[in-house]
Amino acid sequence: AQSVTQLDSQVPVFEEAPVELRCNYSSSVSVYLFWYVQYPNQGLQLLLKYLSGSTLVKGINGFEAEFNKSQTSFHLRKPSVHISDTAEYFCAVIPSGYSTLTFGKGTMLLVSP
Amino acid sequence: SQTIHQWPATLVQPVGSPLSLECTVEGTSNPNLYWYRQAAGRGLQLLFYSVGIGQISSEVPQNLSASRPQDRQFILSSKKLLLSDSGFYLCAWSAPGPTREQYFGPGTRLTVT
Repeated sequence: AQSVTQLDSQVPVFEEAPVELRCNYSSSVSVYLFWYVQYPNQGLQLLLKYLSGSTLVKGINGFEAEFNKSQTSFHLRKPSVHISDTAEYFCAVIPSGYSTLTFGKGTMLLVSP
Repeated sequence: SQTIHQWPATLVQPVGSPLSLECTVEGTSNPNLYWYRQAAGRGLQLLFYSVGIGQISSEVPQNLSASRPQDRQFILSSKKLLLSDSGFYLCAWSAPGPTREQYFGPGTRLTVT
């Protein structure tokens, strides 16, 4: 079975600082990987996805993530965060041929002035 | 473009009362549909998913049920609510066929009192 581990439940950071949100997964087959963002009392919005090809993927709002197969990681990065990036971020994985996503428990990004 | 609707947005129900939450998708045909529950601090729990009308897969045995009476309509129900049913309920859809990214609705906040 597959699993997703988001190593930090909360990440505090100052505005304009860089940030990295960590995600590791386990799976016995090839996977597709996703990052979602959730603002308070809203649904999840897709930030970016890795399906195949270049291991560095760019998403909305200036976020990017790098797929590292050897380390089974898919960390999310942004070079300079804004107050408006304060939200919960979820990493998700689906193994090839499966029907459902497996989500991590989420990382709360707290951006302060 | 595709849109997904959920209603109601918020709901307060007493213990033992019935429940019906509705989700509809526009702009696509034969989507895969999903119901998730998000309890405070516990990430997303997949409850049900459906690949077609009348086809429901249950991930977690409990007092909830799901139905798909029409191609783009997905309903979550309960005959008698428990306190533990409180949470944020999210509906999602993905394109038919092998699952890739999912797109989420705005959610329903359910409080059982």
